[in-house]
Amino acid sequence: EAGVAQSPRYKIIEKRQSVAFWCNPISGHATLYWYQQILGQGPKLLIQFQNNGVVDDSQLPKDRFSAERLKGVDSTLKIQPAKLEDSAVYLCASSFGPPQLAGGPMPVYEQYFGPGTRLTVT
Amino acid sequence: GIQVEQSPPDLILQEGANSTLRCNFSDSVNNLQWFHQNPWGQLINLFYIPSGTKQNGRLSATTVATERYSLLYISSSQTTDSGVYFCAVVGGSTLGRLYFGRGTQLTVWP
Repeated sequence: EAGVAQSPRYKIIEKRQSVAFWCNPISGHATLYWYQQILGQGPKLLIQFQNNGVVDDSQLPKDRFSAERLKGVDSTLKIQPAKLEDSAVYLCASSFGPPQLAGGPMPVYEQYFGPGTRLTVT
Repeated sequence: GIQVEQSPPDLILQEGANSTLRCNFSDSVNNLQWFHQNPWGQLINLFYIPSGTKQNGRLSATTVATERYSLLYISSSQTTDSGVYFCAVVGGSTLGRLYFGRGTQLTVWP
């Protein structure tokens, strides 16, 4: 079974430029996540999709970051304009099922990560 | 959000030694995963263990959810075990996001 695919693997841009990352989740996985990992820290969630709808984007800097998952499969994360502090690894993850609904039982799904895109902003 | 603390932050071992990594979390959880991040940055799933004990080869993990901690055991370490080990949890009241600790950097010398 193919894992989570991401591209590009590396990207170097100058501040104020724009950049886009692509992710293709594991086949059949309804939930897709984008995490940001700054050097020396654990990953932190930016945005979570269930199929093509946004479940959680509370930590996404919406003035410069945007993401979409139009057909409920692959996803694109964009940064425009980039800042020096955006230098990080951007990780995409997917899991089998839907997230917990308010008041409902918590589903139990394992998350699988792609290889990441290492972004350097100069 | 839920707080995740991992210890020790750094661990240096000689090949063949055993080690125990600890993960403490601040609230009830519905999901707990252990990952190994290799030198190329790939997060590799080790265990999905919201409770109980699991073993996979030289690695085993135990989660005691009622006491809010998990342990990862590595026996007979090898140089290929080097890298960062992350514990990550999904809180009981969250929508599925994983909260990560800062990781344990493991270095195994031949």
